[in-house]
Amino acid sequence: GAVVSQHPSWVICKSGTSVKIECRSLDFQATTMFWYRQFPKQSLMLMATSNEGSKATYEQGVEKDKFLINHASLTLSTLTVTSAHPEDSSFYICSASLTEDSPLHFGNGTRLTVT
Amino acid sequence: DQQVKQNSPSLSVQEGRISILNCDYTNSMFDYFLWYKKYPAEGPTFLISISSIKDKNEDGRFTVFLNKSAKHLSLHIVPSQPGDSAVYFCAASAGGGKIIFGKGTRLHILP
Repeated sequence: GAVVSQHPSWVICKSGTSVKIECRSLDFQATTMFWYRQFPKQSLMLMATSNEGSKATYEQGVEKDKFLINHASLTLSTLTVTSAHPEDSSFYICSASLTEDSPLHFGNGTRLTVT
Repeated sequence: DQQVKQNSPSLSVQEGRISILNCDYTNSMFDYFLWYKKYPAEGPTFLISISSIKDKNEDGRFTVFLNKSAKHLSLHIVPSQPGDSAVYFCAASAGGGKIIFGKGTRLHILP
């Protein structure tokens, strides 16, 4: 079945540095990928929709200059958390689907801790 | 404003019995509903879905029921097995690939 790979699975960084998270669709091409964030005991919150070859669409309240999304190919989207702060510490998950009508497949997530 | 609500943060069920997980939604534009299962430190995995034109969808031990008038759906797992212990997310979509998740319900299957 369709597989989405996310890397790294966890990362610890110092405040003020930037962190890049990769999301790859391993056996299918995804023109659209989604990035979510999950705080403890909270639901998955959609951050942005990543479109191959065009700018990402951000949800209300998500800073596009802080969370840079690049969807350079049909199998890779990256999320860069710029100038990270402790409040950015969270669990970030990406997802993709074969078609708009098929269920989403998720990566295993990235646990980001900013010290 | 939560559009998808899972009011039970946790649920414990005896092995072999039926597990019923509930979900309510507020947006009448939602036309597709999904259930995802999540183990710790892993991403959610798709379990089962239902279109708004149906009121029931069954896949093996898993059945999802949709009551549009009540804006309510439920996931039934029968019989419950130890491997079913996980967090279950209810999700809804109004099209375009974007889905809204509930907060999840942690299911414990007791031996």
